[in-house]
Order: sequence, then C-alpha cells, then structure tokens
Amino acid sequence: ETGVTQTPRHLVMGMTNKKSLKCEQHLGHNAMYWYKQSAKKPLELMFVYSLEERVENNSVPSRFSPECPNSSHLFLHLHTLQPEDSALYLCASSPLGQAPDTQYFGPGTRLTVL
Amino acid sequence: QKEVEQDPGPLSVPEGAIVSLNCTYSNSAFQYFMWYRQYSRKGPELLMYTYSSGNKEDGRFTAQVDKSSKYISLFIRDSQPSDSATYLCAMSLEGQNFVFGPGTRLSVLP
Repeated sequence: ETGVTQTPRHLVMGMTNKKSLKCEQHLGHNAMYWYKQSAKKPLELMFVYSLEERVENNSVPSRFSPECPNSSHLFLHLHTLQPEDSALYLCASSPLGQAPDTQYFGPGTRLTVL
Repeated sequence: QKEVEQDPGPLSVPEGAIVSLNCTYSNSAFQYFMWYRQYSRKGPELLMYTYSSGNKEDGRFTAQVDKSSKYISLFIRDSQPSDSATYLCAMSLEGQNFVFGPGTRLSVLP
C-alpha cells in the first residue's frame, strides 16, 4: 500500500445525485491532488492543494467541488454530473520541497454516472 | 500536437522477452522524466525517474532519455507475468506539475 487511501472504491450515481469522494494520506505530505483518468487518455490534473490551500484548478466544471480540511484529508464533492464524467478518480499526495516532487497515488474511485 | 504521446498498446510479449516502452514529447524544456507502473484496480506507482539525458538502471529496468530526439524509453529485461500492467510516462520542467502520457498496456504471457 502507498499510504494513500480512497473511499469508496466504486460509485454509481445518477445525474441528479450528490456524492463525495474521500482521500486520506498517512505520509505526512503537504500537497494533495485530484486526477481524472479516462480510458486511453492521459491523467488529467483537476485540483492541487498545497498546505491546505488550493493552488491550481485546471478549468474543471463547477459540478466538481474540492475540499481540503487539513493536510491529511481531501474530498471531491460531486453534483449533477454527466455520463462523460464516468472515469477513475485518483487522489495523490507529495511532500513538496523536493525535486522531483514524487507523487504517491491512492487506488482510485471508479465512478459511473448513469 | 499532444504534449506527451505514448502508444496505448496493448503490447503482448512472451515471458523472458525484452520489452521496450516509449514516449515522445513536444516540449524540449522538460528536464525530469518519470515512469509509473499501474496494476489493474490500483493507482500508479513510481518505478523510476531520470533527470536530463542519459540512462538509469534499476534491476531489470533501464530508463533512457534522448533529449535531442525528445524521446524516452523504458526497457524491461527478462520480463515476467508480474510485469503485466499499464506503464505511464510523465515529465516536467522543474520537477513539479508533471504531464502524463496516456499509458501503454503491457501483457507478459507465461
């Protein structure tokens, strides 16, 4: 295990539902990330939190809302999603201050939007 | 032109074969190059990284960077069924904000 856990591992939701994805890291890292992984596409960086402050938001639709209450926890709140949002959502953490800044990934949440 | 390109495969090889996985990129300023391995139903895990040009060896794995051609490779010697996974390349200018390739799915057949 990498020290990064994600729950739930699988999620099926309708377009009108609201759900949240949770990520927890036990590595003492200072940065946390949300990525979207779709089949045969590169990992898409969605959000970056550094020292609990959001530092990057790569033009992600507002139906995705991140929350980082402390350096160990990261949430992704979902509402009124579209079927094309179905993908594997990966959380990662990194220590910062190193080059390269190695990211440690969780196992992901497989999301299906009906 | 995509920033990082990688043949998605799948690539199937017999056990014991030498595997060559490759990525091309467009940004000549990239300095840090990483290879991640992702098993089915798992997140990516860092396999190797290199800085600038040259080779790096770790057991059965060799990472190679050719900056003049904007081309990186990962070689796996004596491949094993346990090497079956998707391999992602990633690269960065300053060691942060990595750009990932789409990954190559490798299957090593016993």
